[in-house]
Amino acid sequence: AQTVTQSQPEMSVQEAETVTLSCTYDTSENNYYLFWYKQPPSRQMILVIRQEAYKQQNATENRFSVNFQKAAKSFSLKISDSQLGDTAMYFCAFLTQGGSEKLVFGKGTKLTVNP
Amino acid sequence: DAGVTQSPTHLIKTRGQHVTLRCSPISGHKSVSWYQQVLGQGPQFIFQYYEKEERGRGNFPDRFSARQFPNYSSELNVNALLLGDSALYLCASSGGGGRPRDYEQYFGPGTRLTVT
Repeated sequence: AQTVTQSQPEMSVQEAETVTLSCTYDTSENNYYLFWYKQPPSRQMILVIRQEAYKQQNATENRFSVNFQKAAKSFSLKISDSQLGDTAMYFCAFLTQGGSEKLVFGKGTKLTVNP
Repeated sequence: DAGVTQSPTHLIKTRGQHVTLRCSPISGHKSVSWYQQVLGQGPQFIFQYYEKEERGRGNFPDRFSARQFPNYSSELNVNALLLGDSALYLCASSGGGGRPRDYEQYFGPGTRLTVT
């Protein structure tokens, strides 16, 4: 069974600074996807970024980028130039390609951006 | 385009009752998944439906059931409610095709169910 671990329950960062959220996962699959989701206090889950396991190039979406280390089964999220609106719970999630599209989530990291 | 919509927003039920939650996917999306999120945890997978067929089921009792309609909307039903069923129920839709973008799941705002 796949598992996703986020070892940082809470983190804080000053506005405009950079922060990195950690995620590790365990799987015997070779083809899969990894995602980061953001859930602000208003509770709507928002997709931040997607990474395909077969791609060596790390995904980037504006201020958000990932460091994907397949051999180490590590998938961290870097947020640059942090903004107050980045304050949210961040969830790392894993999805096996093929079969059911079951997302397996970590327990989340609560990120607070301070002014 | 409209995102994933869910109804109702909030619901209060009594133990033993039955509840139906509804979800409309993003236009063009053929796959709908349901998740349960209890406070302080990540969402847990309940069901996935694609083209009206069940594609996957999580570790939930048979009191939980779902279906998908020809217009790709979906219902989640929970019978014989227990206090432990109190949670945020999230619906997500995805394209259902084989392209990487089709595996992205977009979530609705959720239905907050409270069982008393």
